[in-house]
Amino acid sequence: DVKVTQSSRYLVKRTGEKVFLECVQDMDHENMFWYRQDPGLGLRLIYFSYDVKMKEKGDIPEGYSVSREKKERFSLILESASTNQTSMYLCASSFPRTVGTGNTIYFGEGSWLTVV
Amino acid sequence: QKEVEQNSGPLSVPEGAIASLNCTYSDRGSQSFFWYRQYSGKSPELIMSIYSNGDKEDGRFTAQLNKASQYVSLLIRDSQPSDSATYLCAVKLWDSNSGYALNFGKGTSLLVTP
Repeated sequence: DVKVTQSSRYLVKRTGEKVFLECVQDMDHENMFWYRQDPGLGLRLIYFSYDVKMKEKGDIPEGYSVSREKKERFSLILESASTNQTSMYLCASSFPRTVGTGNTIYFGEGSWLTVV
Repeated sequence: QKEVEQNSGPLSVPEGAIASLNCTYSDRGSQSFFWYRQYSGKSPELIMSIYSNGDKEDGRFTAQLNKASQYVSLLIRDSQPSDSATYLCAVKLWDSNSGYALNFGKGTSLLVTP
């Protein structure tokens, strides 16, 4: 079974703090993604990565950055947390990086972040 | 912006009935279609995928795809209270902003009443 692990499930941070959300997948997937999910807004893509040290902006990258130093690990960084970044953050992975069928995206369990 | 539209619900069906969930999408270039189920406070889990026109059945679930009309649906037969969840429709396509990531609808809330 595919396993996508988000190490921090529940976090409370103060405005202005730097926040790291870590994600590890164990299936040698090339693609990794960070989404956030908010009531009424659905899932929105923040950043994604197709390879080590590679990153691409999604739909809402402002206020976030990412790091992918190893294939299995994709980190989301909030440089200076703000209250409007209170949300559930979902990491996901998939394989391979080509168009076509079968490359389903698998999600981690989610990280609930509250910024006060 | 590529759109994936779902009725937010809630859709309420009695136990044992058929639940029908619908999704429309805006981009004709869309290639793959997925249904995820999400229980409250949990992450989405894949229940069905479909890539070509027609029906695909898996147990009590049937996904239907009509690319000409740009809609995809999910039927749940013999609905159970444990099926009560939010169902997310997702569409995979390529664009310069999101690459091959999935574009999600906002989900339909399903309530199966005993």
